[in-house]
Amino acid sequence: EAQVTQNPRYLITVTGKKLTVTCSQNMNHEYMSWYRQDPGLGLRQIYYSMNVEVTDKGDVPEGYKVSRKEKRNFPLILESPSPNQTSLYFCASSFLADQPQHFGDGTRLSIL
Amino acid sequence: GENVEQHPSTLSVQEGDSAVIKCTYSDSASNYFPWYKQELGKGPQLIIDIRSNVGEKKDQRIAVTLNKTAKHFSLHITETQPEDSAVYFCAARDDKIIFGKGTRLHILP
Repeated sequence: EAQVTQNPRYLITVTGKKLTVTCSQNMNHEYMSWYRQDPGLGLRQIYYSMNVEVTDKGDVPEGYKVSRKEKRNFPLILESPSPNQTSLYFCASSFLADQPQHFGDGTRLSIL
Repeated sequence: GENVEQHPSTLSVQEGDSAVIKCTYSDSASNYFPWYKQELGKGPQLIIDIRSNVGEKKDQRIAVTLNKTAKHFSLHITETQPEDSAVYFCAARDDKIIFGKGTRLHILP
């Protein structure tokens, strides 16, 4: 089944404790992206990757890191999480940047 | 950069009636306009998209129209059904993709 898989689905942690949210797709997509969803703000892009080893900042990259060492994986790293990063996060992928994206089911992060 | 405005933020329609959601964008270079539906507890799912060289596209009960001159595009859902209740997002893409803030659609029985 074609899918984008995020882990964990839920995480409660404390300020400053490094965490990684994994994202994996099995559709051989070139383009992958991370978004955060906050009430009243819709979806905002954090980082995206056009291909392996190519990453770029989206609209809200501060406090986040990403890497794209393999085509299928695109982890989101919070080196020193803060409460304002409490949010619902989505990973998405598509064949190319201007094509329909497939979204994962989301990761709800709470930073205390 | 691109800015996308989406209206209304909430919409209630009677089952069987039509629903229209409107979006405007600021960057005339934007050339790809997808619409996503998000059900509770799920990630957004594409329902229809349109490119800048097309004025209208239809898929069964769903249609999207694009007015490049006015820089706005709209989602039309006809004969609404209970399963159409969800949050809908528009987006516009030039070199980056920008989403609208979403419309919560309620279908009333």
